[in-house]
Amino acid sequence: DTAVSQTPKYLVTQMGNDKSIKCEQNLGHDTMYWYKQDSKKFLKIMFSYNNKELIINETVPNRFSPKSPDKAHLNLHINSLELGDSAVYFCASSQDPRDTEAFFGQGTRLTVV
Amino acid sequence: RKEVEQDPGPFNVPEGATVAFNCTYSNSASQSFFWYRQDCRKEPKLLMSVYSSGNEDGRFTAQLNRASQYISLLIRDSKLSDSATYLCAYGGSQGNLIFGKGTKLSVKP
Repeated sequence: DTAVSQTPKYLVTQMGNDKSIKCEQNLGHDTMYWYKQDSKKFLKIMFSYNNKELIINETVPNRFSPKSPDKAHLNLHINSLELGDSAVYFCASSQDPRDTEAFFGQGTRLTVV
Repeated sequence: RKEVEQDPGPFNVPEGATVAFNCTYSNSASQSFFWYRQDCRKEPKLLMSVYSSGNEDGRFTAQLNRASQYISLLIRDSKLSDSATYLCAYGGSQGNLIFGKGTKLSVKP
């Protein structure tokens, strides 16, 4: 069974479109994250939720909006996609915010054309 | 100074070699440190946590030097399957991980 799963794995879309990436974890963890890995392979936190409550919101354009319907799910919606949004987006989870041993999903490779 | 700095490599080593990676971090208050392994086009996976006393897991040894603010990873008897990118990370104040850019290791036959 996949612990942290995200869909889709690949996403190719045109500039200006709106798209969503879904993430689910079956580990019973309280905290979920979205990380972005750019073309230079730099992996950086975007958002963090603990029990559906937003606890980290890094300097990310407000075109990015996370949504956590329950503590097992954290989705990422992106409006008005730009070329610079092309990257790999990783969802992750950990038991609680103090436990930074995180488990990652397989990533969503977003390409904006 | 960047939050986490690593030599990007690549480190090209023959099978059986011993290889060491270092990583420096800027936040002296951080309490938790990790090495993650990332294979090409895959997600990062935890390799090992790093403790002040140092820890060893088979061929892998991790060390933490708080005074100099660096962590290290030593891989002995390298295998072809060790080829990957090794990311060091420390725990941020809000539970997130702060990563270095990774060091690429290529083990050759």
